[in-house]
Amino acid sequence: NAGVTQTPKFRVLKTGQSMTLLCAQDMNHEYMYWYRQDPGMGLRLIHYSVGEGTTAKGEVPDGYNVSRLKKQNFLLGLESAAPSQTSVYFCASSHRTSQETQYFGPGTRLLVL
Amino acid sequence: KQEVTQIPAALSVPEGENLVLNCSFTDSAIYNLQWFRQDPGKGLTSLLLIQSSQREQTSGRLNASLDKSSGRSTLYIAASQPGDSATYLCAVLFYGGATNKLIFGTGTLLAVQP
Repeated sequence: NAGVTQTPKFRVLKTGQSMTLLCAQDMNHEYMYWYRQDPGMGLRLIHYSVGEGTTAKGEVPDGYNVSRLKKQNFLLGLESAAPSQTSVYFCASSHRTSQETQYFGPGTRLLVL
Repeated sequence: KQEVTQIPAALSVPEGENLVLNCSFTDSAIYNLQWFRQDPGKGLTSLLLIQSSQREQTSGRLNASLDKSSGRSTLYIAASQPGDSATYLCAVLFYGGATNKLIFGTGTLLAVQP
């Protein structure tokens, strides 16, 4: 069991470039989440998904899009990166409901210049 | 507004000491509260999850308590070890109508000195 994996681990972008972060889980979890972690802010929810083919906005969704075409994968896209999106991005998953423990990936560190 | 606060932001103790980390939250309408550990450059690892109907949970040297009415939780670490050095995050799952909200505190950075 790899648990939750994230690709890439680190990326540098120039303002205006686009990229996609990939999250994969092998635990057959229904729920998946994308968070960002910034100094002094704690983790904040960007988008989440309660099942294959469904997505919903979290606390800070602007500038991001997501897709859940397969149950095991949750993609986070930045269409036009901005310096304010420099952060560490974490993906997480939980079994059936948001009331259960979330399992986190190792994170993707993104720097936007 | 639903908020989670952790005090202190940083703590340094000598090895072997017992210590308490604090978490407070602004709304008592919660499903559960979780304590996570985060090592530098790594993801979060769940340590303990306390349901709103529970008062405490224990795992090895860790004991977490929950007082929902006062909006407080503590994480007690017994006989601390250098390997306990990490950032400890408290996260509260608040009722959110159609969408429950997991709100994180900003963490307590713990350093256990050998």
